[in-house]
Amino acid sequence: KAGVTQTPRYLIKTRGQQVTLSCSPISGHRSVSWYQQTPGQGLQFLFEYFSETQRNKGNFPGRFSGRQFSNSRSEMNVSTLELGDSALYLCASSLGDRGSEAFFGQGTRLTVV
Amino acid sequence: DQQVKQNSPSLSVQEGRISILNCDYTNSMFDYFLWYKKYPAEGPTFLISISSIKDKNEDGRFTVFLNKSAKHLSLHIVPSQPGDSAVYFCAASPPNDYKLSFGAGTTVTVRA
Repeated sequence: KAGVTQTPRYLIKTRGQQVTLSCSPISGHRSVSWYQQTPGQGLQFLFEYFSETQRNKGNFPGRFSGRQFSNSRSEMNVSTLELGDSALYLCASSLGDRGSEAFFGQGTRLTVV
Repeated sequence: DQQVKQNSPSLSVQEGRISILNCDYTNSMFDYFLWYKKYPAEGPTFLISISSIKDKNEDGRFTVFLNKSAKHLSLHIVPSQPGDSAVYFCAASPPNDYKLSFGAGTTVTVRA
């Protein structure tokens, strides 16, 4: 079956702009989580959606938001971009039960200039 | 606040020898631990997990050990193979929580 698809793969934006990233989970998966990966920081949890509801949220400012649609696809939005937002953004999908394996997409590499 | 720490950013090991990756955590509520492996330009892939009711879990060449009193876990890869060269992340979550806290990763290089 198809894996987790993230679009776009690469993105360059200017400070102050906003950006929307998309994640299509594996068919049948109802949970989508978003992570930010920066060098030396590992993966920082942004938020998790399950059945269109945000179920969990990390410690990121309100400029970072997300949503999930009825088909489980999810989008992540970052407004008023800052240079420090440059990172690899990964989404992971799972069945949503605790302990169910999370499958990651290849990520979107965002560069803010 | 980094609740999961991988203090060794890199590890170099000869093919056929053992690779030992270490991970420490500070949140005593964590009860589920995982290791992920990541190749360049790919997302992380699940490797192995362990719950706090166990102190060891084995899957082929990969074994994870958990020492709850020391808040420490380790991943052993025996024998190491060139295809094991990747970044390894450990992750943890507390009960009734779907959020994973990740370490910063350890880059493993297996030398032929």
